[in-house]
Amino acid sequence: GAGVSQTPSNKVTEKGKYVELRCDPISGHTALYWYRQSLGQGPEFLIYFQGTGAADDSGLPNDRFFAVRPEGSVSTLKIQRTERGDSAVYLCASSQSGGSGTGELFFGEGSRLTVL
Amino acid sequence: DQQVKQNSPSLSVQEGRISILNCDYTNSMFDYFLWYKKYPAEGPTFLISISSIKDKNEDGRFTVFLNKSAKHLSLHIVPSQPGDSAVYFCAASGSGAGSYQLTFGKGTKLSVIP
Repeated sequence: GAGVSQTPSNKVTEKGKYVELRCDPISGHTALYWYRQSLGQGPEFLIYFQGTGAADDSGLPNDRFFAVRPEGSVSTLKIQRTERGDSAVYLCASSQSGGSGTGELFFGEGSRLTVL
Repeated sequence: DQQVKQNSPSLSVQEGRISILNCDYTNSMFDYFLWYKKYPAEGPTFLISISSIKDKNEDGRFTVFLNKSAKHLSLHIVPSQPGDSAVYFCAASGSGAGSYQLTFGKGTKLSVIP
């Protein structure tokens, strides 16, 4: 498809388990972002990639969260030892270049994570 | 500490009338503002934006107004249509190195009644 693709769309896991969420950005978009949206809140910034490197990971809540983008395209958000508070919709977005002032962000439909 | 605030969780408007969604911000370093629209089970989609050097930007039925001194912006939709029913998020970003990081409000759910 032409848009940002995220898998899985839904993931239910048990507390303490490891989870991977995948994002396939729009072809040619160099910038990739992960956001997290908790119930009743707006999306919150997690991490920003420009190419293969994480240009800013200051939004990751703690060291249980990690994200990679090894070839500058697909990205994986990894969550270790999941906790109930990690339950949220994880949104991925991409843009042609970094910076909201230079181009809009295109969001995927999100991966809904539920930690029991 | 919410840097972008949307104080109205919901808004109902009659079809054909004007919808006004409001947003306030506290961070004076923000200089670019955006509105995103979100339907259930979909990701947010970009609607309209405005730079801090402007006080108005118009795109069809959608107009965004920015009052920098009041740190306030609003989205006007006229005429409102049932298909506009969605959650609207206000977002802001800084300039330069911080321009990629969007700070979102909690959203306002707009219902346009036929």
